[in-house]
Amino acid sequence: GENVEQHPSTLSVQEGDSAVIKCTYSDSASNYFPWYKQELGKRPQLIIDIRSNVGEKKDQRIAVTLNKTAKHFSLHITETQPEDSAVYFCAASLYNQGGKLIFGQGTELSVKP
Amino acid sequence: NAGVTQTPKFQVLKTGQSMTLQCAQDMNHNSMYWYRQDPGMGLRLIYYSASEGTTDKGEVPNGYNVSRLNKREFSLRLESAAPSQTSVYFCASSARSGGGYYTGELFFGEGSRLTVL
Repeated sequence: GENVEQHPSTLSVQEGDSAVIKCTYSDSASNYFPWYKQELGKRPQLIIDIRSNVGEKKDQRIAVTLNKTAKHFSLHITETQPEDSAVYFCAASLYNQGGKLIFGQGTELSVKP
Repeated sequence: NAGVTQTPKFQVLKTGQSMTLQCAQDMNHNSMYWYRQDPGMGLRLIYYSASEGTTDKGEVPNGYNVSRLNKREFSLRLESAAPSQTSVYFCASSARSGGGYYTGELFFGEGSRLTVL
């Protein structure tokens, strides 16, 4: 089955710097790659996603890139702010498996003012 | 709309006791899921239900059973709780668009914190 590896497990940046979180997946048939943000004590929430027919997607300060050949995808956050501090999870799935989503281990991002 | 509601929010069990976590969604979603979250392990899929009447094992199904009671409700049962099942459990749901395509977004409940002594 699908396996998703996520790095780093913790990341500390200064406010205004960029942050990059990387994930690799094992099943070359996976075609949907979302990213979720979980603030302390809260539920995970979708922040951005990408499908396999697209190489890059942007939404204001966040962007996701996908390299299907290498089976890895990354989350980029620019001009980080303290409110970006949270745990971020990547995930992968096949669209026709009932939305069965396999998550990475998570990255705890800390943005220092 | 309440979204995804799961109960109870907190529970303490003794080893060997049984319990059921309840989950209901009011968004008319087809697919529902149970995940567990442990420090450093991310969110691990226990069971999922792609549609009413179907259930499938996820990554860590051992020690759990599920019931898709109807389109709205998906329960998770621990028949004989073990300390290794101490975790935060999340129920989630997602919609399907026409043609069977998965829309992408999982909507999570607030979580249930379970401690097994």
